[in-house]
Amino acid sequence: GAVVSQHPSRVICKSGTSVKIECRSLDFQATTMFWYRQFPKQSLMLMATSNEGSKATYEQGVEKDKFLINHASLTLSTLTVTSAHPEDSSFYICSARETRLSASTDTQYFGPGTRLTVL
Amino acid sequence: AQSVAQPEDQVNVAEGNPLTVKCTYSVSGNPYLFWYVQYPNRGLQFLLKYITGDNLVKGSYGFEAEFNKSQTSFHLKKPSALVSDSALYFCAVRDRGAGNMLTFGGGTRLMVKP
Repeated sequence: GAVVSQHPSRVICKSGTSVKIECRSLDFQATTMFWYRQFPKQSLMLMATSNEGSKATYEQGVEKDKFLINHASLTLSTLTVTSAHPEDSSFYICSARETRLSASTDTQYFGPGTRLTVL
Repeated sequence: AQSVAQPEDQVNVAEGNPLTVKCTYSVSGNPYLFWYVQYPNRGLQFLLKYITGDNLVKGSYGFEAEFNKSQTSFHLKKPSALVSDSALYFCAVRDRGAGNMLTFGGGTRLMVKP
């Protein structure tokens, strides 16, 4: 199947700093990428949907100024957690949808996740 | 609105025995249904999906799932469990008319004991 990578896999930062997480589709083009957050022993919570070349669509309750998303190309989306605080510590997972002729049947492929710890 | 329910937080099964992980869904239209598996500190791996056609879908690692429209279910099954199947399993649904959004169930932890 298609491969999605994330970098870094793990990051520890001080409170108040910004952290950038990269998500890449390695062997396919993805016009749509998704960013999820997962708390321990919980399901995935969709944060935002990112379309290449346009602004991201954020889910209710997600601060767009805090979680900056850029989808500059068909294979790269970035999530920047600005002025991170300890409550932002979480497992962040990106997903890319492989674009085919029939968009509605596309499968989402997930990255390995990034564990963010804010001290 | 669309939703997914995985009624069991954990399923325990002995190695070699058949396993079933349950999933029911609710959508306003026709669903696309997916199963993903997550190993510790890892992202989700795609197992299988139902789009249309045969109600029995076969996927990776010997897993299969059966789409049952009348019961709005999409249970994941495997004839003979392996210890290495122990992981967290997520069922997900997307309404064909709902655009991009994939909704996940709460997850079921599968424990296969030797």
